[in-house]
Amino acid sequence: ENVLTQSPATLSLSPGERATLSCRTSQSVSSYLAWYQQRPGQAPRLLIYDASIRATGIPARFSGSGSGTDFTLTISSLEPEDFAVYYCQQRSNWPWTFGQGTKVEIK
Amino acid sequence: EVQLVESGGGLLQPGGSLRLSCAASGFTFSNFAMSWVRQAPGKGLEWVSVISASGGSTYYADSVKGRFTISRDDSKNTLFLQMNSLRVEDTAMYYCARDRAGLVATAGVGAYWGQGTLVTVSS
Repeated sequence: ENVLTQSPATLSLSPGERATLSCRTSQSVSSYLAWYQQRPGQAPRLLIYDASIRATGIPARFSGSGSGTDFTLTISSLEPEDFAVYYCQQRSNWPWTFGQGTKVEIK
Repeated sequence: EVQLVESGGGLLQPGGSLRLSCAASGFTFSNFAMSWVRQAPGKGLEWVSVISASGGSTYYADSVKGRFTISRDDSKNTLFLQMNSLRVEDTAMYYCARDRAGLVATAGVGAYWGQGTLVTVSS
């Protein structure tokens, strides 16, 4: 099983600041990596797929990069609604697996 | 607008059975792979199972293999998860997710999600 490790576990930032979230996979996934946002009490929402492609309706402040085993989600300027938990997920090989999540909290 | 509405969750004892449903609308259901993803209370996400658009390919997490069965009824635009021999560790919110692709080989992106149905297994 491909283990995904996200860092940091918690990111404390203020609105307007830049957020940089990391995801490392134990095996190469090429570019088959997605990022999801989950707000409290809500279902996950797809932000980025195939490492860098924004999903429909996702604001441009969200961007993804990386390939192989190291990936980054960047939120260029945090809006109040961006404080949430973010998960990375690989689809390179079954079972598709998620990271443990990074919580972006208000500082 | 894509809509996915899960139902069928509830409280039951270990060893019991349950069938979850996911009613889909707003897209051509038969064109897309569909999945179940679960989240234990306060925990992360686990991809439980996927079924291809044709229904011909299915995959299961090792944690549920042999106990859960995913299926679909394209005439009713509905996805199912039959859950047997339930365990306490199956307690979770179960989400239905629509993929971007139809084939499992190119699937694995949860493009749209329902709000989930809660399954609680407890004695």
